[in-house]
Amino acid sequence: IAGITQAPTSQILAAGRRMTLRCTQDMRHNAMYWYRQDLGLGLRLIHYSNTAGTTGKGEVPDGYSVSRANTDDFPLTLASAVPSQTSVYFCASSDSRTGGNEQFFGPGTRLTVL
Amino acid sequence: GQNIDQPTEMTATEGAIVQINCTYQTSGFNGLFWYQQHAGEAPTFLSYNVLDGLEEKGRFSSFLSRSKGYSYLLLKELQMKDSASYLCAVRDSNYQLIWGAGTKLIIKP
Repeated sequence: IAGITQAPTSQILAAGRRMTLRCTQDMRHNAMYWYRQDLGLGLRLIHYSNTAGTTGKGEVPDGYSVSRANTDDFPLTLASAVPSQTSVYFCASSDSRTGGNEQFFGPGTRLTVL
Repeated sequence: GQNIDQPTEMTATEGAIVQINCTYQTSGFNGLFWYQQHAGEAPTFLSYNVLDGLEEKGRFSSFLSRSKGYSYLLLKELQMKDSASYLCAVRDSNYQLIWGAGTKLIIKP
């Protein structure tokens, strides 16, 4: 793989179900991010990780959890999905160690919670 | 609170020039970014400004005035493929990106 990938591409989920969105990058970037994008709103940061083994809360963390066991993977888990979590989810990564400013985005996961 | 403002939608003609404005109020400033996002796709990086002035990159230029909390993205020689949303984002004092809602640019022949 090259770059950053996400799975699944799309998912329809019943409310109350648990769901994990997967994100993998092969660029050895130290920082990774999860955003949600809703119509009429800017991208909103859910959680982030500046390096493997550490995570932090973003602007809208409630109802979501993340882990960063290694450099490449940064899964996002919805413990008990609710309809307000219907959104497009983007994973991104960046290499802040080299002064890199650009965030690279995955293709997104379109999640519908019914 | 933190706020990024940009127009919701703009229309321009193929071959013309368009300027997309962005104003911001954030807790700290560590750079301003412009991204392009085609419908149904991921955002892709266009430009980065941290000092006042103009940064030129081919048909695209980005300007920053930190004292005014203002930036613009200038697109020249518009092509149909430039039809997309353009996202302004500011890196705040926590080094996190605060995003505007995006400007949908419609290019007409």
